[in-house]
Amino acid sequence: GQNIDQPTEMTATEGAIVQINCTYQTSGFNGLFWYQQHAGEAPTFLSYNVLDGLEEKGRFSSFLSRSKGYSYLLLKELQMKDSASYLCAVRVFSGGYNKLIFGAGTRLAVHP
Amino acid sequence: DSGVTQTPKHLITATGQRVTLRCSPRSGDLSVYWYQQSLDQGLQFLIQYYNGEERAKGNILERFSAQQFPDLHSELNLSSLELGDSALYFCASSVGAASYEQYFGPGTRLTVT
Repeated sequence: GQNIDQPTEMTATEGAIVQINCTYQTSGFNGLFWYQQHAGEAPTFLSYNVLDGLEEKGRFSSFLSRSKGYSYLLLKELQMKDSASYLCAVRVFSGGYNKLIFGAGTRLAVHP
Repeated sequence: DSGVTQTPKHLITATGQRVTLRCSPRSGDLSVYWYQQSLDQGLQFLIQYYNGEERAKGNILERFSAQQFPDLHSELNLSSLELGDSALYFCASSVGAASYEQYFGPGTRLTVT
């Protein structure tokens, strides 16, 4: 089966750094995405990793280790507006097509 | 604003009824994806259309169906509605068929009473 695990909730302080982990057990792995979703709104794309290593994009970085089935999203210089859910999604190739499988999301609360 | 539009924004209906949700992809995108997001579950992939043809199928119930029209807009039809169908329904689009970077619409919140 396909399984993606992320912590349900995290809290952090404004200005700090937080790391959100994601582990996956999937077949046909073909890339990993991170999306941000504010409550009641659409998910928005943050990052994409297909090879091992770190991808940096401003305050956000994402890391992938395919051999360990592990990724993390690193958020630096946290701001109140970063309070949101962060969705880890694995792209899998199965049955002749690609599809995204989403984790349940990690709800991050940033407090002053 | 992702460029993906969905209507209606909210929908309230009774059990047993049928509803149609509509999605217009970003200009130039050929793929449309439908997702369901309920409180107790994450984002669940339902179905993908690419340039008018069904491309991939996820956990879509037989009571649900979708299509993509020549102008590339898509409709998701939900019939014999049950209380458990209450959820946010998102449409996303991408340029190609390979489920790469997807842009999500604002969603339709369906409440079945």
